[in-house]
Amino acid sequence: QKEVEQDPGPLSVPEGAIVSLNCTYSNSAFQYFMWYRQYSRKGPELLMYTYSSGNKEDGRFTAQVDKSSKYISLFIRDSQPSDSATYLCAMRKTSYDKVIFGPGTSLSVIP
Amino acid sequence: EAQVTQNPRYLITVTGKKLTVTCSQNMNHEYMSWYRQDPGLGLRQIYYSMNVEVTDKGDVPEGYKVSRKEKRNFPLILESPSPNQTSLYFCASSHDPKSSYNEQFFGPGTRLTVL
Repeated sequence: QKEVEQDPGPLSVPEGAIVSLNCTYSNSAFQYFMWYRQYSRKGPELLMYTYSSGNKEDGRFTAQVDKSSKYISLFIRDSQPSDSATYLCAMRKTSYDKVIFGPGTSLSVIP
Repeated sequence: EAQVTQNPRYLITVTGKKLTVTCSQNMNHEYMSWYRQDPGLGLRQIYYSMNVEVTDKGDVPEGYKVSRKEKRNFPLILESPSPNQTSLYFCASSHDPKSSYNEQFFGPGTRLTVL
């Protein structure tokens, strides 16, 4: 079993839709959770960073962590074509531990 | 502009021909790292460096070498490339890997094909 799993997609939604991207993980020691966005032919860039359980909101993006279920989500409201990218979840056990990345979910937002 | 640069961006080579992929950052970051990205496997860490002259193996170090002689540069060396090293490579850097908020900045990637 992989440590971090994501549905690879591709996920295709109409502009304005609410998008839900998810990751499951197997190691209960993970405490720091991240979402990276990766445009085609670019390096990943950090989108959201959360510690432990709960929600974090930043504009149209909301990150949710449910440690009891070992499940994290990224919600995108009012999705735009510019949100079309691959979204990578990532996590680490401690602040100085290495980051473990999920394989990524490809999202297309159709105008 | 704060950035991580990698060169070359694209490289096609043959088995056994030594190559170096350069990585440079202008943010005075202590921590630098190399990843490879393969379909379905995500980003896997090859090597990392906590500071000058300090390097350590990541999850998939076999067939790779690194050096960190200067803070800004972290080249990745493939002494004898093989086809299974065909991949997309990313260099990344961050200011302080021990801080609770540790954003990694990634370079644009190097697509390597080994024939």
